[in-house]
Amino acid sequence: GAVVSQHPSWVICKSGTSVKIECRSLDFQATTMFWYRQFPKQSLMLMATSNEGSKATYEQGVEKDKFLINHASLTLSTLTVTSAHPEDSSFYICSARDSGRDYEQYFGPGTRLTVT
Amino acid sequence: KNQVEQSPQSLIILEGKNCTLQCNYTVSPFSNLRWYKQDTGRGPVSLTIMTFSENTKSNGRYTATLDADTKQSSLHITASQLSDSASYICVVNQAGTALIFGKGTTLSVSS
Repeated sequence: GAVVSQHPSWVICKSGTSVKIECRSLDFQATTMFWYRQFPKQSLMLMATSNEGSKATYEQGVEKDKFLINHASLTLSTLTVTSAHPEDSSFYICSARDSGRDYEQYFGPGTRLTVT
Repeated sequence: KNQVEQSPQSLIILEGKNCTLQCNYTVSPFSNLRWYKQDTGRGPVSLTIMTFSENTKSNGRYTATLDADTKQSSLHITASQLSDSASYICVVNQAGTALIFGKGTTLSVSS
């Protein structure tokens, strides 16, 4: 089956630093990837839609200058949390849409970010 | 407003017992409905996907039903196991443009 990986699986960083999270589709090409954020015991919240070769589309209330998204290839999207603060601590999940399988969407395993 | 509501919010059952989770939605236009299992600290894993014309779909001990007329779906888990303890999320695909997530049902299976 289709596999989506994320790296790192968890990261601890100091307040004010930047953190980059990678999302890769391992056995299919994904022209569209999605970034979600999940707080404890809450549902996934879509942050932005990442399209290969173009600018990401951000959901209302998500700061695009803080959460930088780059979708440089058909198998890789990155999310960079800039100048991280403790309130950015969360579980970040990406998903990738497989255009070859009726646009089925597959989720990555998630990245736990803790900002101290 | 496009919404997906799940019930109950949480559920505790004994190992070996069956349970049924509910999902009501008001998403339009409708493309398909998915049930995901999310273990703590992990990404969601797809259990079933149903289109408008499908009434029931099984995946091992998981059986999902869909009533497109009443916009209701259920996920039935048979002979529960400890490993079934997780959050189960109902997600409706809004005509291929967006996924609308329910808040999930947290299932705890105890021995």
